[in-house]
Amino acid sequence: DAGITQSPRHKVTETGTPVTLRCHQTENHRYMYWYRQDPGHGLRLIHYSYGVKDTDKGEVSDGYSVSRSKTEDFLLTLESATSSQTSVYFCAIRSGGTGELYNEQFFGPGTRLTVL
Amino acid sequence: AQSVTQLGSHVSVSEGALVLLRCNYSSSVPPYLFWYVQYPNQGLQLLLKYTTGATLVKGINGFEAEFKKSETSFHLTKPSAHMSDAAEYFCAVSGGYRDDKIIFGKGTRLHILP
Repeated sequence: DAGITQSPRHKVTETGTPVTLRCHQTENHRYMYWYRQDPGHGLRLIHYSYGVKDTDKGEVSDGYSVSRSKTEDFLLTLESATSSQTSVYFCAIRSGGTGELYNEQFFGPGTRLTVL
Repeated sequence: AQSVTQLGSHVSVSEGALVLLRCNYSSSVPPYLFWYVQYPNQGLQLLLKYTTGATLVKGINGFEAEFKKSETSFHLTKPSAHMSDAAEYFCAVSGGYRDDKIIFGKGTRLHILP
């Protein structure tokens, strides 16, 4: 299994509080991704990173920020959590490659976040 | 831009019967295509992928999928369903190696009837 961990695994917080989720990898992969999973919506990309300090927005980035100060860690921050951000958050990593060597995304175990 | 449509949010098959999960994609460039599986309370695991070359792709756990460009489809099949196949399945597409992102379908939950 790819070496990806997410912390915390479960969190309950109140509306308006800041929340930071951490994704840690031991694979030295270049790309890291944050998704949220909601019933009926599948997985939707929040933000991703293509290198240290290099990040870009996904389709549902409003209300979220990210940071990547070193290869192994990718942080997702909810500056002021809202109930609509209650979800399961997944981190994924990818090394790169082309054609047959194209390396797919490997997923972490997820963080279940509840915003009351 | 890429998009994926999975037909049927829930599919039920009897144990031992054929599994067929449908996926159609849209892509402005030659796509890379993926099927992932998610078991309860777990992350996603890759079943198989198509990038280039042979259009019939074999994956883990006896699953396979065929890339049909003319039909813009990448349906997932398994000849004989097992109870352990009960899970949620996601089809995904990317715009090839130049595309940093992949787009996921909304998922199909597979139920196996005894």
